[in-house]
Amino acid sequence: EVQLVESGGGLVKPGGSLRLSCAASGFTFSTYAMSWVRQAPGKGLEWVSSISSSSGYIYYVDSMKGRFTISRDNARDSLYLQMNSLRAEDTAIYYCAREIRSRYFDLWGRGTLVTVSS
Amino acid sequence: QSVLTQPPSASGTPGQRVTISCSGSSSNIGTNIVNWYHQVPGTAPKLLIYNNNQRPSGVPDRFSGSKSGTSASLAISGLQSEDEADYYCAAWDDSLNGWVFGGGTKLTVL
Repeated sequence: EVQLVESGGGLVKPGGSLRLSCAASGFTFSTYAMSWVRQAPGKGLEWVSSISSSSGYIYYVDSMKGRFTISRDNARDSLYLQMNSLRAEDTAIYYCAREIRSRYFDLWGRGTLVTVSS
Repeated sequence: QSVLTQPPSASGTPGQRVTISCSGSSSNIGTNIVNWYHQVPGTAPKLLIYNNNQRPSGVPDRFSGSKSGTSASLAISGLQSEDEADYYCAAWDDSLNGWVFGGGTKLTVL
């Protein structure tokens, strides 16, 4: 089955760190660009970061540059998001999504919830 | 404040036609393709329309997309109760070097 499964979310204190993972299956992960998109409680979708198939191109939304790091391991069919210096406003469901030729997201995971609170 | 502007809500009765607008600028919609996603609360978003007006396999032809200049719209004809969801437009922004989404439109079927 073609799917993406996120993990690694949880409760973390402000200033803390968390590493999210996204396991891909059912398709050739190494040939697709991937992204993280988040959704704060009761809010809309917000793009976080994208990485090309070979990690040659990486993009971040300005507000997360320097705090978040996207990476991938094509041998393990996995996408990661290292989040540091977390703030209350980073509380959200984090989705990983597959990009088709950098034009649209055609496959989404179910998301993992990150809660930043003391 | 989202880069792409959508109405926060829309509504219609079963069988009606509803349109949802998405307004952007020359650096996003004016230059790049527009995609639409829908999301039933509590579930993950799903691709609804890509490349401005293309439907993925499995999406009924009741759903259609269009783009003109720096605006786009999603039309839903023959409205059904299962169409109740949140709808988001999205596009790549050349100035921001990233994806931008609309704030979302909550569709209610009365």
